[in-house]
Amino acid sequence: EAGVVQSPRYKIIEKKQPVAFWCNPISGHNTLYWYRQNLGQGPELLIRYENEEAVDDSQLPKDRFSAERLKGVDSTLKIQPAELGDSAVYLCASSPGLVGEEEQFFGPGTRLTVL
Amino acid sequence: AQSVTQPDIHITVSEGASLELRCNYSYGATPYLFWYVQSPGQGLQLLLKYFSGDTLVQGIKGFEAEFKRSQSSFNLRKPSVHWSDAAEYFCAVGARETGTASKLTFGTGTRLQVTL
Repeated sequence: EAGVVQSPRYKIIEKKQPVAFWCNPISGHNTLYWYRQNLGQGPELLIRYENEEAVDDSQLPKDRFSAERLKGVDSTLKIQPAELGDSAVYLCASSPGLVGEEEQFFGPGTRLTVL
Repeated sequence: AQSVTQPDIHITVSEGASLELRCNYSYGATPYLFWYVQSPGQGLQLLLKYFSGDTLVQGIKGFEAEFKRSQSSFNLRKPSVHWSDAAEYFCAVGARETGTASKLTFGTGTRLQVTL
């Protein structure tokens, strides 16, 4: 079974430029998460989707961040414009979304460097 | 709101020695608890989880953890560490009230170094 796929793995951009990250969850997983992991910290949730609906985006900086999950499968996270403080690893995770099957499966992440 | 504290930022142990990584949580009721491991450049892999029942939980790679309600702790243990266990370890707590463990709060992690 394929795991969570993310691309690109690494991205270097200059501040004020836009950037987008893509995530393909495990097949059949209804719940998808985007996390941000700063250096030396644990992951912090940005947004959670149940199918195509964003059910928790309270931690998403909506002035510059946006996300979508069209058709309830793949998801894209966008930053526009990027700031120096956005440098981090962006992790995507998915889970079946069923009670009793709450384990989240993580992708390898996208390491973003903003210069 | 839930929170997780991992008091040890960095731990060094010799290969073959025993290991205990500490995790304390704050949550108003019985939480869901997890331990994840992250190798450099990799995503997080689940080691074990506690939802209910037996408070001593067995995981992959020979790890175990014990839920102690009175101490609000969920410490991770391994009797004999292998060099390949060197990685970053994260404890996480999930909120029960939503009916699932969907909302995870992670600790800041403990970096494990293994000396030969």
